[in-house]
Amino acid sequence: DIQMTQSPSSLSASVGDRVTITCRASQGISNYLAWFQQKPGKAPKSLIYGASNLQSGVPSKFSGSGSGTDFTLTISSLQPEDFATYYCQQYHSHPFTFGGGTKVEIK
Amino acid sequence: QVPLVQSGAEVKKPGASVKLSCKASGYSFTSYYIHWVRQAPGQGLEWMGIIDPSGGTTTYAQKFQGRVTMTSDTSTSTVYMELSSLRSEDTAVYYCARRGYSDYWGQGTLVTVSS
Repeated sequence: DIQMTQSPSSLSASVGDRVTITCRASQGISNYLAWFQQKPGKAPKSLIYGASNLQSGVPSKFSGSGSGTDFTLTISSLQPEDFATYYCQQYHSHPFTFGGGTKVEIK
Repeated sequence: QVPLVQSGAEVKKPGASVKLSCKASGYSFTSYYIHWVRQAPGQGLEWMGIIDPSGGTTTYAQKFQGRVTMTSDTSTSTVYMELSSLRSEDTAVYYCARRGYSDYWGQGTLVTVSS
């Protein structure tokens, strides 16, 4: 199975900060990488697919990059509604696997 | 319109089975795979398996092999996930999601396993 390692597991940031979350795959997955945002009590919401493609309706402050084994999600200017937990997922091969999550909290 | 709507919460006793549904709408049901993901209280996301709604082909995570069955009904655009031999550790919110990269998710179904 492909292991997905996210870092950091949590971070504290202020409104307006630029935030970067990383996700590393245990083997190459090309660009078969997705990012999700999850708020308490809600289903995950798709942000990015294909490592860098913005899902329809997602604001451009979110961006993704990477290929192979190393990926990043960047939020250019953190807003109050962005405080949530973020997950990466590889869909290169079964079983699909998720990173452990990054909780973004208010500083 | 939300493309995936899941069935309601369930409470089951250990050893029982549960069958959840995920009804698709607003798109061609047979065009996209559906997969199931669960989330235990306070924990991360765990992939359970995937089904091709057009032919019923399935792939399950090793952890759930022998306990999970995913099926599809093209007449009602509904995918089902049955989990048997339930134990307390199966208490979780179960989600269905569309496509490999999960562009849409159902609202989730809470399954509580308790004696």
